[in-house]
Amino acid sequence: QSVLTQPPSVSAAPGQKVTISCSGSSSNIGNNYVSWYQQLPGTVPKLLIYENNKRPSGIPDRFSGSKSGTSATLGITGLQTGDEADYYCGTWDSSLSFGLFGGGTKLTVL
Amino acid sequence: EVQLVQSGAEVKKPGESLKISCKGSGYSFTNSWIGWVRQVPGKGLEWMGIIYPGDSDTRYSPSFQGQVTISADKSLSTAYLQWSSLKASDTAMYYCARHWVGATSGGTWFDPWGQGTLVTVSS
Repeated sequence: QSVLTQPPSVSAAPGQKVTISCSGSSSNIGNNYVSWYQQLPGTVPKLLIYENNKRPSGIPDRFSGSKSGTSATLGITGLQTGDEADYYCGTWDSSLSFGLFGGGTKLTVL
Repeated sequence: EVQLVQSGAEVKKPGESLKISCKGSGYSFTNSWIGWVRQVPGKGLEWMGIIYPGDSDTRYSPSFQGQVTISADKSLSTAYLQWSSLKASDTAMYYCARHWVGATSGGTWFDPWGQGTLVTVSS
């Protein structure tokens, strides 16, 4: 069981918006920045969001990130079938001095 | 272009040793953290550890401390992940990735990722 908790799955229709949550504690999300990764089926994970809400070059603004307290959220608007993937949050744990990933959330675009 | 190129797939027997590699290019390998991530087939990502090639400072997840060794050769711009005695439960895809630390924020993230090395351990 991951220290960072994500819902196992979420789903929404094409064109709609979806949010994926990542819940942690004061030693990790509460006092550190969060990153998000997309892993399309059979491919290498890709960075989507870093430092809570920054997008790397090439990531469309349909993807957004936010953080409040000990939870973080990934938002995806204008859903496309190509967004079907597993999404992972990540952060550092200051008490444990190592990094963490959430358990992952499978997004289905119905 | 920043690139991480990993060594090829491996098939090993339980009890055998193994060292896989990850060669970085297009950036200052010596002065950047690099990490390893495990993904068991059908499962999620697991943070294993990171190394700073400049001084070999290494941090491990407790789940992997003592189970694997992370090292780096800065002269070859290559990081390594090794096992002294493989188990069937080590069967997984292993990714290396550049581990960033925000200069002002202290935030951390992985980017880019290597293509992955599939390790299969079976008798």
